[in-house]
Amino acid sequence: QKEVEQDPGPLSVPEGAIVSLNCTYSNSAFQYFMWYRQYSRKGPELLMYTYSSGNKEDGRFTAQVDKSSKYISLFIRDSQPSDSATYLCAPYTGTASKLTFGTGTRLQVTL
Amino acid sequence: DTAVSQTPKYLVTQMGNDKSIKCEQNLGHDTMYWYKQDSKKFLKIMFSYNNKELIINETVPNRFSPKSPDKAHLNLHINSLELGDSAVYFCASSHGEREQYFGPGTRLTVT
Repeated sequence: QKEVEQDPGPLSVPEGAIVSLNCTYSNSAFQYFMWYRQYSRKGPELLMYTYSSGNKEDGRFTAQVDKSSKYISLFIRDSQPSDSATYLCAPYTGTASKLTFGTGTRLQVTL
Repeated sequence: DTAVSQTPKYLVTQMGNDKSIKCEQNLGHDTMYWYKQDSKKFLKIMFSYNNKELIINETVPNRFSPKSPDKAHLNLHINSLELGDSAVYFCASSHGEREQYFGPGTRLTVT
């Protein structure tokens, strides 16, 4: 079992839809949960991150963590064509260690 | 203006050759990384340096040798290139491990 699992997609939604992107993980030592966005042929860019369980909102984006079920979600409200990208979750233990990336979910928002 | 830059952007070479990829960051970060992203878009850390000192060395063939001449630069030298080395290589930097800033990537094709 991989440490971090994501459905690779592609996930295709119409403009304006609410999108839910999810990750599961196996390492209970993860404390920080990062979301990166990667446009085609570009480097990943940090979108937002949360610490421990709970929600965090940033504009149209909401990150949610449920540590009891080891489940991470990213919600995008009012999705736009410019949101079309691959979204990678990357949990982290918080000590001097590496980020562990999921394989990413490719999202396509259509007009 | 670019925060993390890499050269070259594209690299096409034959098996058995030796090649280098250069990375520079102007963010004043103390930690730099090399990642490999394979054809399935899986992003995996290879090395990380903190203040020019190697701190993470994942299971990478010793044909790959990183070099950090100073805090702002981390280069990757690859000896005896193999077909399986074809991938996109990303450099990243951070202050602390969480918020990593990625370069645009170097697309390496070995023929």
